[in-house]
Amino acid sequence: GQQLNQSPQSMFIQEGEDVSMNCTSSSIFNTWLWYKQEPGEGPVLLIALYKAGELTSNGRLTAQFGITRKDSFLNISASIPSDVGIYFCAGVGSSNTGKLIFGQGTTLQVKP
Amino acid sequence: DVKVTQSSRYLVKRTGEKVFLECVQDMDHENMFWYRQDPGLGLRLIYFSYDVKMKEKGDIPEGYSVSREKKERFSLILESASTNQTSMYLCASSLGGRIYEQYFGPGTRLTVT
Repeated sequence: GQQLNQSPQSMFIQEGEDVSMNCTSSSIFNTWLWYKQEPGEGPVLLIALYKAGELTSNGRLTAQFGITRKDSFLNISASIPSDVGIYFCAGVGSSNTGKLIFGQGTTLQVKP
Repeated sequence: DVKVTQSSRYLVKRTGEKVFLECVQDMDHENMFWYRQDPGLGLRLIYFSYDVKMKEKGDIPEGYSVSREKKERFSLILESASTNQTSMYLCASSLGGRIYEQYFGPGTRLTVT
């Protein structure tokens, strides 16, 4: 089946630094989404992307739908301690009607 | 704000027991989903439902069943719990026209001994 490879697996950064993470697939995806999960909670939707090349921001977060439709990127600018959590990419492949496929997650830790 | 609630945050059951996990959403969403989350594997879809009394298999339905008798409630049933079903279970819901923009509950951590 279709799979998403998310990298890096984990990051430990200093407060104020910028963060980049990405998600890739060997096949085309029609929709990309980014979720954040804080400890003890369910994932929360951050950004949804529906068009190849689309660049969307949500506060300090910016995500892009790759032009090849096989990847997506999430950037966080000027990180703060509350950015800590697991970030998941999720995609909808051409053959997966109604189903989201999730990446393995990137665990972000921020040192004050 | 959309609220998705799950009946238990933590649950411990014995092998062979029948287990019910309940999920309720309060925003009149058409779609509801059950996922399991395991370290290093992300979230994997077990079952989902587009409407009352309708259900569709996800990627890992074996050993599970679901019930949706009312629009706001979606139940996950483990017919005979096994130790490999020890996991975090997450329920989600979404609007009909925005199926992929899902709102998640806080999860139920199930341990089967």
